[in-house]
Amino acid sequence: EPEVTQTPSHQVTQMGQEVILRCVPISNHLYFYWYRQILGQKVEFLVSFYNNEISEKSEIFDDQFSVERPDGSNFTLKIRSTKLEDSAMYFCASSSTSGGAGGTQYFGPGTRLLVL
Amino acid sequence: GQQVMQIPQYQHVQEGEDFTTYCNSSTTLSNIQWYKQRPGGHPVFLIQLVKSGEVKKQKRLTFQFGEAKKNSSLHITATQTTDVGTYFCAGRRVGSQGNLIFGKGTKLSVKP
Repeated sequence: EPEVTQTPSHQVTQMGQEVILRCVPISNHLYFYWYRQILGQKVEFLVSFYNNEISEKSEIFDDQFSVERPDGSNFTLKIRSTKLEDSAMYFCASSSTSGGAGGTQYFGPGTRLLVL
Repeated sequence: GQQVMQIPQYQHVQEGEDFTTYCNSSTTLSNIQWYKQRPGGHPVFLIQLVKSGEVKKQKRLTFQFGEAKKNSSLHITATQTTDVGTYFCAGRRVGSQGNLIFGKGTKLSVKP
C-alpha cells in the first residue's frame, strides 16, 4: 500500500538555525499538508498546498515558515530561524482531492524536531 | 477561530468494557474524520463521515455524524488491549481547502 514518507525521522538543531523537513507524498495525490504536534498535545494544522501554491495556512505558519515542491515528488517545510517553541513532531499528509471520499488525508510517520 | 472539542481527555477501561469518545464543533462541518494514534506513532486514518446523520461501522467500532453536522462520536464495543491509543476526531469546515481541525484526542487505556 502506498504511503507518505518523511525524512529525517529526528532532527536536533540549535536555536536560530534553519531546518528543512522533507516529505514524499503518495504519488498520485495532489493536495499536501503540514501539521505539527507538540508533545502530548493535539495535532495542529500548519499549511495546505495545491497546484504549486499555498491554499490555506494557519496563524502558526508565520514568515519563518515556507513550503516548496522542488520537484515532482518532494514536498518540504523550511523553518528559517528555529525557536525553542518549534520543538514538535511535524507530520506531512497528502490526499487525492480536497474533499469528498478522496479527501482522506494520509499521514507520514513524522519528523521529531528538537530545538536546543 | 473554529474549534473542535473532544471529550473525555482520558478513558481507562477494563478489557471487554465499551468506550465512547465525543466531538463537538463550534460550526458546521463539511465532513469529519477519525484517526487513531498509537504512542510514538502517527495519526492513522480510520474513517470519514460526510452525510448528516451518517452511521458507519468497522467491526467493533461505530462512528456517528450528527444531524447538524456539528458533532460526532466513536463507540468501541468490548474493548481489547489492541484498542489502546489516542483517538482524534478532525473536522473540515465548509469551504475549506482541506485544513483539518483536530480535537485534543481521547487517550484510551485498556486493562487486561
